[in-house]
Amino acid sequence: DTAVSQTPKYLVTQMGNDKSIKCEQNLGHDTMYWYKQDSKKFLKIMFSYNNKELIINETVPNRFSPKSPDKAHLNLHINSLELGDSAVYFCASSLIPSGTGNTIYFGEGSWLTVV
Amino acid sequence: GQNIDQPTEMTATEGAIVQINCTYQTSGFNGLFWYQQHAGEAPTFLSYNVLDGLEEKGRFSSFLSRSKGYSYLLLKELQMKDSASYLCAVSSGGSYIPTFGRGTSLIVHP
Repeated sequence: DTAVSQTPKYLVTQMGNDKSIKCEQNLGHDTMYWYKQDSKKFLKIMFSYNNKELIINETVPNRFSPKSPDKAHLNLHINSLELGDSAVYFCASSLIPSGTGNTIYFGEGSWLTVV
Repeated sequence: GQNIDQPTEMTATEGAIVQINCTYQTSGFNGLFWYQQHAGEAPTFLSYNVLDGLEEKGRFSSFLSRSKGYSYLLLKELQMKDSASYLCAVSSGGSYIPTFGRGTSLIVHP
């Protein structure tokens, strides 16, 4: 069974569209994340939720809105897509947000291409 | 903020040893992670260092010097499958959520 799963894996869409990426983890973790990896492979934190509550919100355009219906799910909705949004978006989870050895488990990534 | 620096690319020969360095500048250091990422795949956890010294785990070892803001990942008996990007990540402050460096692309050739 996949620990952190996200869908879709590939998404090609036009500028201006609205799209969502879904994520689910079956590890029983309390904390979930969205990371963005750009063309230069730089992996950057976007959001972090702990038990359905937002704890980290980096400098991300407000066109990006995360939603956590329960602690096993963290979806990412993107409005008015722009060319610069093209990237790989990784969902991830960890047992807790604090404490030592906070190992983060990543999903397989969603390749978003905006044309 | 944090500043994490690692070489962009390295090459090595199958069977050899390679050391990938990572330097960082941060306040309130909590710990340092190394992740491996094969092309087109998710990053996977390799190691975590919070105290100075060497942590050995099979063919992979990770070293940390907090006073120097320095870590390295040592890969022994290199195999072709070790060709991947190696990401250094540092957690600091109250969040414990790691910030990733840009990664080092390691190419292992026969």
